Amino acid sequence: GEDVEQSLFLSVREGDSSVINCTYTDSSSTYLYWYKQEPGAGLQLLTYIFSNMDMKQDQRLTVLLNKKDKHLSLRIADTQTGDSAIYFCAEANSGYSTLTFGKGTMLLVSP
Amino acid sequence: DADVTQTPRNRITKTGKRIMLECSQTKGHDRMYWYRQDPGLGLQLIYYSFDVKDINKGEISDGYSVSRQAQAKFSLSLESAIPNQTALYFCATSDGRQGFGNEQFFGPGTRLTVL
Repeated sequence: GEDVEQSLFLSVREGDSSVINCTYTDSSSTYLYWYKQEPGAGLQLLTYIFSNMDMKQDQRLTVLLNKKDKHLSLRIADTQTGDSAIYFCAEANSGYSTLTFGKGTMLLVSP
Repeated sequence: DADVTQTPRNRITKTGKRIMLECSQTKGHDRMYWYRQDPGLGLQLIYYSFDVKDINKGEISDGYSVSRQAQAKFSLSLESAIPNQTALYFCATSDGRQGFGNEQFFGPGTRLTVL
């Protein structure tokens, strides 16, 4: 079955770049997502990438996809304290019916 | 107004009680989902529904039941609550049409504590 793995914790200083990594197992995944969960809130979609793309950039966010290694990363440039949150990687299964989420990476940004 | 709402936002109950968590959406989506979140375990899918007549079990459905009363409403019941069902519960919706890739929109969550 599908499985999505992420490191659980990342700490960076304000102004640095953050890179959150994710690996997935379903080679037929067509969409891969990054969700953000701020304290006390639900998940919000941050960005997504379609499997025929290698990279997607959206302002401070850059998503890189290596399909051969089934590796997805999210880079946040100029990380701010407001970026402190839990970031979830997710893949859509081949039938688009459900998402499989990773356990989440807690990003802590210190001043 | 929020597109996906959940009630109640917080609930404390006792072991053995029946509890219902409710979810409503104004996004017009056909698909609705219930997840639970435990610290360090990410999100686990409990049940999902693709329309009013279609209900599917997720990875952790034991001890839970659901009802899809209308396209916009999807409720989750704990028939006899137990302490290890203490968790944060999220409802989500998505548009099932091709091309949307199952992007899901989440409610704010219900924090349930079972004593």
